[in-house]
Amino acid sequence: NAGVTQTPKFQVLKTGQSMTLQCAQDMNHEYMSWYRQDPGMGLRLIHYSVGAGITDQGEVPNGYNVSRSTTEDFPLRLLSAAPSQTSVYFCASRSPGGHEQYFGPGTRLTVT
Amino acid sequence: ELKVEQNPLFLSMQEGKNYTIYCNYSTTSDRLYWYRQDPGKSLESLFVLLSNGAVKQEGRLMASLDTKARLSTLHITAAVHDLSATYFCAVGNAGGTSYGKLTFGQGTILTVHP
Repeated sequence: NAGVTQTPKFQVLKTGQSMTLQCAQDMNHEYMSWYRQDPGMGLRLIHYSVGAGITDQGEVPNGYNVSRSTTEDFPLRLLSAAPSQTSVYFCASRSPGGHEQYFGPGTRLTVT
Repeated sequence: ELKVEQNPLFLSMQEGKNYTIYCNYSTTSDRLYWYRQDPGKSLESLFVLLSNGAVKQEGRLMASLDTKARLSTLHITAAVHDLSATYFCAVGNAGGTSYGKLTFGQGTILTVHP
């Protein structure tokens, strides 16, 4: 199993550009989520999904869109990047009956 | 709204000493995690605590959970340099099953020196 994978590892965007951060898992987990990590603030939940076709907002959803068309993939879209979105982004997954929450390797995004 | 507070936020330890990191949370929850993060890396799961009184140990680290006090502790025994990292606690959101949603503490930056 590859676990949770994220691409790209690093990205630099200019203000106003759009992009999609990819997240995939091969463990057949129904629960998937996106977090951002900023210095001194721990990780904060952006969006989450409990299964294909079902998504909901987390603590800091503004400026981000998600969709979940398959169990495996949960992309995060930035429609118009802003410097405040400079952060490290982590995707995570868990099965409903499982205890472990698995995190991907992260994407480091810089918006100039 | 679920709030999670860790203390201390910075911890400088001598090798061989013992210390405890505390994690307080504000509402009931179905699970509590402890993670380790090395600089530039992802989160490594250390412990998952599911019930009141749960205690888990791995090497020099031991975690416990008191759901009545809404408190978890991560105890470090005889610290070694390799334990230097940032440690996070994370709590499953309230309201029954957490659906994979976690609220994190701010993290404790642990430095172990000779």
